[in-house]
Amino acid sequence: SQTIHQWPATLVQPVGSPLSLECTVEGTSNPNLYWYRQAAGRGLQLLFYSVGIGQISSEVPQNLSASRPQDRQFILSSKKLLLSDSGFYLCAWTRGGPTYEQYFGPGTRLTVT
Amino acid sequence: AQSVAQPEDQVNVAEGNPLTVKCTYSVSGNPYLFWYVQYPNRGLQFLLKYITGDNLVKGSYGFEAEFNKSQTSFHLKKPSALVSDSALYFCAVRRSSNTGKLIFGQGTTLQVKP
Repeated sequence: SQTIHQWPATLVQPVGSPLSLECTVEGTSNPNLYWYRQAAGRGLQLLFYSVGIGQISSEVPQNLSASRPQDRQFILSSKKLLLSDSGFYLCAWTRGGPTYEQYFGPGTRLTVT
Repeated sequence: AQSVAQPEDQVNVAEGNPLTVKCTYSVSGNPYLFWYVQYPNRGLQFLLKYITGDNLVKGSYGFEAEFNKSQTSFHLKKPSALVSDSALYFCAVRRSSNTGKLIFGQGTTLQVKP
């Protein structure tokens, strides 16, 4: 069966510090991968998605970036965090094709102070 | 443009009563529709989906959803609510492309009272 991991689970970082969040998927190959941010426990904002190694699409302009160095690894980064980067970050994967559901990781709670 | 609307921020029901969480969508072509549930500080869990076929779709934990093409709706239902069903529920629609991106509604908080 497939499993998706995210770490760390929680993170408190000062403004201006760098960020690296990691997501890995087990039990599948060539998944589509996604990074979402959820503010105030409500709607989801799609940040990045990837359909393959080294292929990253950005949905919104911001000071975040994403990379996919391996097939089942997706990394979210920032060089300098802003207060507005605080939120709940979720990674998700799906098989290719429009009929498949996305499966979400447990999330990372980021607080920028 | 594709969109999803969940018209109620919160739904309150008594335990044992039926529940409905509403969702309407706008998408060109045939829609692929999904429901997810989120418990506090957790990731989203997949409940059910409609791709094609029978308009009544059954999913996890006793939930079901009815696809209504003429009303462009996909309401989530359960015959008898449990206190443990209290959570945040999201409806989502799929864009017809190979990226598999989902368009999510803003979510509806379901509160089931004993």
